Amino acid sequence: SYELTQPPSVSVSPGQTARITCSGDALPKQYAYWYQQKPGQAPVLVIYKDSERPSGIPERFSGSSSGTTVTLTISGVQAEDEADYYCQSADSSGTSHVVFGGGTKLTVL
Amino acid sequence: QVQLVQSGAEVKKPGASVKVSCKASGYTFTSYGISWVRQAPGQGLEWMGWISAYNGNTNYAQKLQGRVTMTTDTSTSTAYMELRSLRSDDTAVYYCARGYCTNGVCYPAFDIWGQGTMVTVSS
Repeated sequence: SYELTQPPSVSVSPGQTARITCSGDALPKQYAYWYQQKPGQAPVLVIYKDSERPSGIPERFSGSSSGTTVTLTISGVQAEDEADYYCQSADSSGTSHVVFGGGTKLTVL
Repeated sequence: QVQLVQSGAEVKKPGASVKVSCKASGYTFTSYGISWVRQAPGQGLEWMGWISAYNGNTNYAQKLQGRVTMTTDTSTSTAYMELRSLRSDDTAVYYCARGYCTNGVCYPAFDIWGQGTMVTVSS
């Protein structure tokens, strides 16, 4: 089955830039989406269609895509950005099945 | 406001079934699909499947085919997810989530989530 691979953890100091990667063979053909999840809460969509921000999401969140890797970038990281981040895409085999990456814990030092 | 409100926590024995509800409000229910996503304790997100609230079409994750059924009741704007033959590894928080549509285009992503329903499977 199709998989998306993320690093388990990323650490960054406040004010610095955090980059979280997600790799998958179908990413050149399918858009990627990113979610932020804080403990005890439901996920929140922060990036759609590789690089677009839903309304209400701060500009410091951005996304990019290059080949089989997509990247979530958080500029000027704040303490409140500490959370788990999940990438998500869809299978390109025609099933339209959704797949999530394993998640990345962002720690703000 | 737009929201999805789920039913309360459940405790089930192995082999039993569970049915979780997800009531939508604040938008036209039949204009969006609903997916179900679960999260085992301390683990990541797992997509379970999708249902069109417009016509009831479904698409289930291969892993759960045969054990899961998703339905909707348009008269009450409620989606349901039933999981049968429960096992201990089905213990998880179950979320319903609305498909994301913007500028007339719908994407396989989710912008509104329910609060989650904890399902515990234990003998």
